[in-house]
Amino acid sequence: DVKVTQSSRYLVKRTGEKVFLECVQDMDHENMFWYRQDPGLGLRLIYFSYDVKMKEKGDIPEGYSVSREKKERFSLILESASTNQTSMYLCASSLSGEMNSPLHFGNGTRLTVT
Amino acid sequence: GESVGLHLPTLSVQEGDNSIINCAYSNSASDYFIWYKQESGKGPQFIIDIRSNMDKRQGQRVTVLLNKTVKHLSLQIAATQPGDSAVYFCAEFSSTGANSKLTFGKGITLSVRP
Repeated sequence: DVKVTQSSRYLVKRTGEKVFLECVQDMDHENMFWYRQDPGLGLRLIYFSYDVKMKEKGDIPEGYSVSREKKERFSLILESASTNQTSMYLCASSLSGEMNSPLHFGNGTRLTVT
Repeated sequence: GESVGLHLPTLSVQEGDNSIINCAYSNSASDYFIWYKQESGKGPQFIIDIRSNMDKRQGQRVTVLLNKTVKHLSLQIAATQPGDSAVYFCAEFSSTGANSKLTFGKGITLSVRP
């Protein structure tokens, strides 16, 4: 089975801090994704990556950046955390070169910014 | 507990009955569809997918039906069990020119009565 591991289940950070969310997948998937999940808004795509060192903006990239130095690892960076970035963050990966293959999700990181 | 279930419609079924969860999708160009299950405290879990050249696909205890005419997708769960209690949401994939997009629905909470 595919395993997508997010390094933290819960994080509490202060406004203005730089925050790193880490994600690792163990199935040699090309594609990796970062979503945030909020009540009433569903899943919204922040950034994704089709390959090492490649990144593409999703629907809500503002206030975020990403890093993919190795195929198995995709990091989400909040340059200066704000309270409106309090959310559940979900990392996902998929095999194919296109997005029309199932995404496999991690268990999420619940981030609270105070 | 997870706040992902707040503000979502709820389907309540008796244990042992069949469940039908419906999803209306928006884009007639969508050609790939996925159902996910999300239990409290976990990330979304892939259940089953279907491509637009099919109208039915079966898995273990689950069936997905696709009606492209009315842009409707349904997930049927046979002999619903307490472990099926979760939030379920559909996702549609569309590709227009150079743009590909996977769009998630907001979800429905399935509650199984013992």
